[in-house]
Amino acid sequence: QVQLQESGPGLVKPSQTLTLTCTVSGGSIHSGDFYWSWIRQRPGKDLEWIAYIHYSGMTYFNPSLKSRVAISVDTSKSQFSLKLNSMTAADTAVYYCARNRIIDHSHWFDPWGQGTLVTVSS
Amino acid sequence: DIQMTQSPSSVSVSVGDRVTITCRASQGISNHLAWYQQKPGKAPKLLIFAASSLQSGVPSRFSGSGSGTDFTLTISSLQPEDFASYFCQQSERFPLTFGGGTKVEIK
Repeated sequence: QVQLQESGPGLVKPSQTLTLTCTVSGGSIHSGDFYWSWIRQRPGKDLEWIAYIHYSGMTYFNPSLKSRVAISVDTSKSQFSLKLNSMTAADTAVYYCARNRIIDHSHWFDPWGQGTLVTVSS
Repeated sequence: DIQMTQSPSSVSVSVGDRVTITCRASQGISNHLAWYQQKPGKAPKLLIFAASSLQSGVPSRFSGSGSGTDFTLTISSLQPEDFASYFCQQSERFPLTFGGGTKVEIK
């Protein structure tokens, strides 16, 4: 079965750029049926969808973060990545990668990676 | 953005109880709603998609209903492993948004 695993730094300094990578195993990132998302959960806050990417390179972003976010896919490594620039304390969160399934305009996330805590602090 | 409001924010229940969680959308979302379960320190797990379709492997005591703006997640007979937080998520419009969660606690 498909598994996702996030990797990246646990600590980022203010103003720096966060780079996270999600490795997909047990299934193909090439599948046309799926998209690949980043979602975060800030302490005491709601889950927030950040962006998704299709293996073809098609992307979609949350407008609230779009100006600071880049997302990419490396099909040769079965990985997709998130870059979030100009990090502040407000970006401290657990970051999840997840597989997006879309059927009849309904999107849902399954499975999710285990999540990685990113703290922004000097 | 479409706002998703869950109620209650927390509920204290006993094993065997029937639990109903409500999710209200700020505008109509047809049946474009999913439900997730999250245990402390773990990633969310998909329970229900398209408002009422049970994800494979999820026990049949979980069910979802609703359309438009009002949705419910029902656990027919709460089991010890069901104590967790539950979130709804809409996909009618971008950005995809989640509810604030409902924590199901032991009475």
